[in-house]
Amino acid sequence: QVQLQESGPGLVKPSQTLSLTCTVSGGSISSGNSYWSWIRQHPGKGLEWIGYIYYSGSTYYNPSLKSRVTISVDTSKKQFSLKLSSVTAADTAVYYCARGQFTFDRWGRGTRVTVSS
Amino acid sequence: SFELTQPPSVSVSPGQTASITCSGDKLGDKYACWYQQKPGQSPVLLIYQDNNRPSGIPERFSGSNSGNTATLTISGTQSIDEADYYCQAWDSTTVVFGGGTRLTVL
Repeated sequence: QVQLQESGPGLVKPSQTLSLTCTVSGGSISSGNSYWSWIRQHPGKGLEWIGYIYYSGSTYYNPSLKSRVTISVDTSKKQFSLKLSSVTAADTAVYYCARGQFTFDRWGRGTRVTVSS
Repeated sequence: SFELTQPPSVSVSPGQTASITCSGDKLGDKYACWYQQKPGQSPVLLIYQDNNRPSGIPERFSGSNSGNTATLTISGTQSIDEADYYCQAWDSTTVVFGGGTRLTVL
């Protein structure tokens, strides 16, 4: 079955760009209704949707983060990526990649990102 | 903006039925889903499109959605069901999560 794995730096300095990659295994990244999302969870808090990408490259972002977010896909590598610019301490969170556009049926294990100098 | 409201905590005795609510404006006109998250783990999809269970999810989990409220019901609650539960819906292509409910099985 499909598995997702996040990767990227666990520490990012304020004002820099957070970059994470999600690798999809056990299935195709570009078959059928293949939407892929990023979701984050602040420490001890609830879930916040960041945005999604269709395997063709079309995207939609959370309006509250839209000005700082870019999600891209590389189907040849079975990966999709998140870039979040101008980060602050408020962006410290566990970042999850997940399969789905409006319902998320597969999640990665999450990667903790701390924003600190 | 569209918001979903959940009670912060719910307690239930083993073997009893737990109900967790999720409120939002005209939520019944949208599809709701539910996730379970245990400490240190990723969320797991429990219910999608109001009342459908993915394969592998026990039958004791069920959902409903009408008016302004979606409800997750856990019948015959077990100690392993102690976790955080999140509702989620989407509005105008924006995904929204509820704040989460911690279920304690006493």
